[in-house]
Amino acid sequence: AIHLTQSPSSLSASVGDRVTITCRASQGISSALAWYQQKPGIAPKLLIHDASNLESGVPSRFSGSGSGTDFTLTISSLQPEDFSTYYCQQFTSYPPTFGQGTKLEI
Amino acid sequence: EVQVVESGGGLVQPGGSLRLSCAASGFTISTYWMNWVRQAPGKGLEWVANINHGGSQKNYVDFVKGRFTISGDNAKNSLFLQMNNLRADDTAIYYCARSSGYCSGGTCSNWFDSWGQGTLVTVSS
Repeated sequence: AIHLTQSPSSLSASVGDRVTITCRASQGISSALAWYQQKPGIAPKLLIHDASNLESGVPSRFSGSGSGTDFTLTISSLQPEDFSTYYCQQFTSYPPTFGQGTKLEI
Repeated sequence: EVQVVESGGGLVQPGGSLRLSCAASGFTISTYWMNWVRQAPGKGLEWVANINHGGSQKNYVDFVKGRFTISGDNAKNSLFLQMNNLRADDTAIYYCARSSGYCSGGTCSNWFDSWGQGTLVTVSS
């Protein structure tokens, strides 16, 4: 199975900050990486697929980059509603796997 | 509007069985791969199983093989997960999720673009 490692596991930031979360895959996955946002008690929400393709309706302050084994999710200017847990995910081979999550806190 | 709604969770004793359902609306499951993803309390996301458009292909994560069975009913536009021989570590919220994606040049890319609200399964005596 392809293992995804996110860093950091938790992050403290303030409204207006620029933050970056990284995801490293245990083997190359081309650009086949997605990012999700999850708020407590709510299902995950797809933000980005194919490493950098923003899902419809997702604010443009979210962006993704990377290919191969190293990927990043960037939020250019944090808004109050962005404080959540973020997961990366690969589904280029079975089983699909997720990173362990990054909790973004005030 | 695309929507999936899970049901069927509850409290079950170790070794017991439970059948989860997922009702889809706004799209037809016969044109998508459909998945079950779970999340143990306070933990991360874990893919469990999926089924293809026509139901001819099914995939499972190793730790549920032989215990869980995924199926679909295109006429009811619904997805199911039969869970047998449940263990305490199967306790989790189970999400139904639609996946989209493609294959190109020998590489496939898939993602989960619609999720239900989840149904809680608790395995405890």
